[in-house]
Amino acid sequence: EAQVTQNPRYLITVTGKKLTVTCSQNMNHEYMSWYRQDPGLGLRQIYYSMNVEVTDKGDVPEGYKVSRKEKRNFPLILESPSPNQTSLYFCASSLGRSWLYGQFFGPGTRLTVL
Amino acid sequence: AQKITQTQPGMFVQEKEAVTLDCTYDTSDPSYGLFWYKQPSSGEMIFLIYQGSYDQQNATEGRYSLNFQKARKSANLVISASQLGDSAMYFCAIYNNNDMRFGAGTRLTVKP
Repeated sequence: EAQVTQNPRYLITVTGKKLTVTCSQNMNHEYMSWYRQDPGLGLRQIYYSMNVEVTDKGDVPEGYKVSRKEKRNFPLILESPSPNQTSLYFCASSLGRSWLYGQFFGPGTRLTVL
Repeated sequence: AQKITQTQPGMFVQEKEAVTLDCTYDTSDPSYGLFWYKQPSSGEMIFLIYQGSYDQQNATEGRYSLNFQKARKSANLVISASQLGDSAMYFCAIYNNNDMRFGAGTRLTVKP
């Protein structure tokens, strides 16, 4: 089954404790991205990656890091989480610039930073 | 920078009736894509429909159609014959140059 998986699905942590949210896709997609969703703001892009070892900042990259060492994986790293990073996070993938069928989204990770 | 606006925070529709969800956008690039996504209460994002800026005809996918008015920069989603399962958040998005922007969303409630 073609899918994007994220782990964990739910996470409660404390300020300053480094965490990683994993994202993996099994569709051999070139393009992957991370979004955060906040009430009244829709989804905002954090980082994206056009291919292995190619990453770039999205709309709201501050406080986040990513890496793309393998095509299928695109982890999101919060080195020192803060309460304003409490949000719902989505990973997505697509066939590079072929946007015809939209992006495949993961199930989401709900993060709470206390 | 691109911008997407959804002016309807919430909409109600009677089951089996049609409903239009509004979306306007702003971009200076002539080449872009417009998308609609559905987010049910379970939280996942479900792709519904896509319209390319150079597409001559309005996109349709089953009960979903996109009313694309390029001169007005609008890309409204029309859902025909609403079903109870259509109750969800709906997001409009615009993409070009690796930049994808989403609107704030419209919460649609279908009444039995």
